Amino acid sequence: GNSVTQMEGPVTLSEEAFLTINCTYTATGYPSLFWYVQYPGEGLQLLLKATKADDKGSNKGFEATYRKETTSFHLEKGSVQVSDSAVYFCALGWGSGNTGKLIFGQGTTLQVKP
Amino acid sequence: NAGVTQTPKFQVLKTGQSMTLQCAQDMNHEYMSWYRQDPGMGLRLIHYSVGAGITDQGEVPNGYNVSRSTTEDFPLRLLSAAPSQTSVYFCASSTVGAQYFGPGTRLLVL
Repeated sequence: GNSVTQMEGPVTLSEEAFLTINCTYTATGYPSLFWYVQYPGEGLQLLLKATKADDKGSNKGFEATYRKETTSFHLEKGSVQVSDSAVYFCALGWGSGNTGKLIFGQGTTLQVKP
Repeated sequence: NAGVTQTPKFQVLKTGQSMTLQCAQDMNHEYMSWYRQDPGMGLRLIHYSVGAGITDQGEVPNGYNVSRSTTEDFPLRLLSAAPSQTSVYFCASSTVGAQYFGPGTRLLVL
């Protein structure tokens, strides 16, 4: 079946460190891939997306590349800030993700220390 | 625009009680969904709707009912609450390219 697997957390980094959060997927067909972020006490917000192989999504210094050959969509940021502390979810969907059906990974908690 | 709103923010129920979680959106989106979030399990789809009058089951539909009489509203009903339904519930509405999530309802079933 379709599934998303993220690296276990929590991830603890110092400010300005490099961030990688791994995400791999299993899916039939050609899904779109997403990263969502959840700040404490809030709902999820779309961070970035990619709709086809080799696409790179980017936003707020974060980026992820859709790798079909390795079925991966790893999230990276060159220099994290304390304000990036949140839970990050990788997800897949079909089309542009507008069908209301997303499959999420379990989430990875990121804590950035000053 | 208020976006996606959910009420209540927090609710405590006793086993066997019923309740309705409200969800409304003012963006005229056709697609709406309900998810539950549990520790270590990410979000799981409960039910979704592709338009007024049309609903379908997601990954974990048992114990929940939905209806969609208008484009704006998509309530989630628990007919007989169980402790296993203790969770945080998120409603979302969708348009091309993105889903928009509400702030969530935290439900505790004793």
